[in-house]
Amino acid sequence: IRMTQSPSSLSASTGDRVTITCRASQDISTFLAWYQQKPGKAPKVLMYAASMLESGVPSRFSGSGSGTDFTLTISFLQSEDFASYYCLQYYDNPRTFGQGTKVEIK
Amino acid sequence: QVQLQESGPGLVKPSQTLSLTCTVSGGSISSGGYYWTWIRQTAGKGLEWIGHIYTSGSTKSNPSLDSRVTISVDTSKNQFSLKLNSVTAADTAVYFCAREVTLVRGGTPYDSFDVWGQGTLVTVSS
Repeated sequence: IRMTQSPSSLSASTGDRVTITCRASQDISTFLAWYQQKPGKAPKVLMYAASMLESGVPSRFSGSGSGTDFTLTISFLQSEDFASYYCLQYYDNPRTFGQGTKVEIK
Repeated sequence: QVQLQESGPGLVKPSQTLSLTCTVSGGSISSGGYYWTWIRQTAGKGLEWIGHIYTSGSTKSNPSLDSRVTISVDTSKNQFSLKLNSVTAADTAVYFCAREVTLVRGGTPYDSFDVWGQGTLVTVSS
């Protein structure tokens, strides 16, 4: 299953609302997760089942979608949110990730 | 709290075999219900799932690498390992070991890579 994520990078300011999209090459229902990765670190799960917030993740993160089209929204960007974000489908093996979106400071 | 740590050579020659080990601490690798997984990250292809070994010992690997990958477990050492043979420069990457688990929250089952190693850079070069 191919996961197409966009944009590959974006520049934003603290306080901005940011949206990242992910499209699956086939219907994956809501078997989608979002991960955040900071430089030199392993990815960390933010969302699961497309729209469910992982425990401890701030509520400014939200997710939506089902089938083939999904979005991750950060409603009020904070300094600690500047990182790379990846979608992951766990509908089938092999697990596949989107290419990633790097959120940079404008 | 379970922790994972990758170890192995940082430099491998082309055509040789890349061998990495992931040591599990803070818990038993034999505990039921986990997929012990290898994932790699390259600048060009991003994050790529390599394969996993289940607690039962069954394995699955990415068809793009399938014939070159061997994943095994050593329960006596609480470790699992990756061997990738016939490597080329395209196999240069940061290799992560991770644990995949099926969780249920609010009645919703989902799979999560909930524990990761810190990652280790492996360079393929002569």
